[in-house]
Amino acid sequence: KAGVTQTPRYLIKTRGQQVTLSCSPISGHRSVSWYQQTPGQGLQFLFEYFSETQRNKGNFPGRFSGRQFSNSRSEMNVSTLELGDSALYLCASSLDSWGDQPQHFGDGTRLSIL
Amino acid sequence: DQQVKQNSPSLSVQEGRISILNCDYTNSMFDYFLWYKKYPAEGPTFLISISSIKDKNEDGRFTVFLNKSAKHLSLHIVPSQPGDSAVYFCAASFQGAQKLVFGQGTRLTINP
Repeated sequence: KAGVTQTPRYLIKTRGQQVTLSCSPISGHRSVSWYQQTPGQGLQFLFEYFSETQRNKGNFPGRFSGRQFSNSRSEMNVSTLELGDSALYLCASSLDSWGDQPQHFGDGTRLSIL
Repeated sequence: DQQVKQNSPSLSVQEGRISILNCDYTNSMFDYFLWYKKYPAEGPTFLISISSIKDKNEDGRFTVFLNKSAKHLSLHIVPSQPGDSAVYFCAASFQGAQKLVFGQGTRLTINP
């Protein structure tokens, strides 16, 4: 069974640019969540999508946004990139949006801002 | 305000012995807890979870214990194997919300 797939694996951008990251969940999973991992802040929740609707949102500025398509695939977008956005961005999927289902993670997209 | 804490940044255990990783939380509304293992350059791998209605859950070599009164959970790995060397994260969430709050992680090293 294929796992969560994230593309691209690595990305280099400059300040002020925007970026779009992609996530394909495990087949049959309808909930997709995004996390940011940095050395200083650890793993932090960005947002969760279920049935093409944002269900939960973390404490990140509006520059961070996402969407989910009818096939459950998801994208996240970061606009006006800042140096502090350099991080590993992880996508996770679960069967549904109820909290008692484990989330399964992809290998992430490593974003570097120059 | 760190709601989930792993106070030991690192732990070293001999192969074959028991590894015990600890995690504390402050928010009593958390009702679902998980442990993940992470290797470098890979995403976290789900290991085991426990609902707040239970105090123990086992899966092979892995057992998670939950002490709600102390707001503490632990992961026991028996016996420890070299492939268990990784960073372990505990995480917590609320029912009805796929929003995990993670601890800072504990690096486990299994020595031969």
